[in-house]
Amino acid sequence: GQNIDQPTEMTATEGAIVQINCTYQTSGFNGLFWYQQHAGEAPTFLSYNVLDGLEEKGRFSSFLSRSKGYSYLLLKELQMKDSASYLCAVRDSNYQLIWGAGTKLIIKP
Amino acid sequence: GAVVSQHPSWVICKSGTSVKIECRSLDFQATTMFWYRQFPKQSLMLMATSNEGSKATYEQGVEKDKFLINHASLTLSTLTVTSAHPEDSSFYICSARSTGGETEAFFGQGTRLTVV
Repeated sequence: GQNIDQPTEMTATEGAIVQINCTYQTSGFNGLFWYQQHAGEAPTFLSYNVLDGLEEKGRFSSFLSRSKGYSYLLLKELQMKDSASYLCAVRDSNYQLIWGAGTKLIIKP
Repeated sequence: GAVVSQHPSWVICKSGTSVKIECRSLDFQATTMFWYRQFPKQSLMLMATSNEGSKATYEQGVEKDKFLINHASLTLSTLTVTSAHPEDSSFYICSARSTGGETEAFFGQGTRLTVV
């Protein structure tokens, strides 16, 4: 079967750095996405990785290793507004998104 | 950037009635739109894939006669929840893939449906 695993919840301190991991097992691979979702709102696109390596975009970076079926989202200089759920999703061979359950990130002052 | 507009943002309806939700791509053409349902504290569940001009492809377990999807143009897809029941209460979200687009970055704002 297809499976996306990510931690259920993480806590970090304002101004710090946090890494959210995602491992996947899917039928084929056509890219990995990270989304941010605040409570009661739709997801917002953060990043897209299709090749191995690190993609940096401001305070957020995303890493992919296809051979290991592994990705992480790195958030630097954490702000209170970063408190949200972070969803990892993989596009499989049928070009469908397989979604992880999301990681709830709690930022403390 | 590309914008997807979903309407309404929230709706309350009586059990047994039907509700229509619209998803529009405002500044790009979307050959494919996706409809998701999300229950509290759970991830997104794909309900159906909608391709312009053809019938929607429904995921296993999703009743196509209950959740009617129409994608009549490259900028509009609609989801109609027919004969709604309280268990249909959920957060419904659409997303759109642009023609020739590789990323799926464009989500509507979501619709909170409450059936009473």
